[in-house]
Amino acid sequence: AQTVTQSQPEMSVQEAETVTLSCTYDTSESNYYLFWYKQPPSRQMILVIRQEAYKQQNATENRFSVNFQKAAKSFSLKISDSQLGDTAMYFCAFMKFNRDDKIIFGKGTRLHILP
Amino acid sequence: KAGVTQTPRYLIKTRGQQVTLSCSPISGHRSVSWYQQTPGQGLQFLFEYFSETQRNKGNFPGRFSGRQFSNSRSEMNVSTLELGDSALYLCASSFGGGTNYGYTFGSGTRLTVV
Repeated sequence: AQTVTQSQPEMSVQEAETVTLSCTYDTSESNYYLFWYKQPPSRQMILVIRQEAYKQQNATENRFSVNFQKAAKSFSLKISDSQLGDTAMYFCAFMKFNRDDKIIFGKGTRLHILP
Repeated sequence: KAGVTQTPRYLIKTRGQQVTLSCSPISGHRSVSWYQQTPGQGLQFLFEYFSETQRNKGNFPGRFSGRQFSNSRSEMNVSTLELGDSALYLCASSFGGGTNYGYTFGSGTRLTVV
């Protein structure tokens, strides 16, 4: 069975700083997807970034980038130039390389961006 | 284009009652998945429907059921409600399945059982 672990329940950083959220996972699959989702107070789960396990290059989306270490089963999210609107719960998630499979989420990290 | 719409947004029910939640996917999306989110257990997969057929099911008791209509709208039903069923229920839709097409989530239905 797959598991996703986020070791930081809560973090706070000053606006404009860089912050890194940690995530480790466990799987015996060789092909899979990893995601970071953001859940603001509006409750909607928003996809921040996605990484295919077969790609060695780390995914980036504007201020968001990941450090994907497949051998270590580590998938951290870096937010550069953090903004007040980045305040939210962040979930690391895993999905097998199978179109009808479920997403497995970590417990989340609550991120506060301080003015 | 319109996003994933979940109704109602909030719901309060009494133990023993049953409840039906609705999810309207993005137009053209044929896959609808349901997740339960609680502070203790986090996000847990309930089931997925694709073209009116349940394609995948999580580890929940039979009190939790769902269905999908020909227009891809989905409903989930919880019978004989228990206090522990209080949660945020999220629905996600996809064109054909999350791997290739990605999932779009709704804002959820907050169910409180008293």
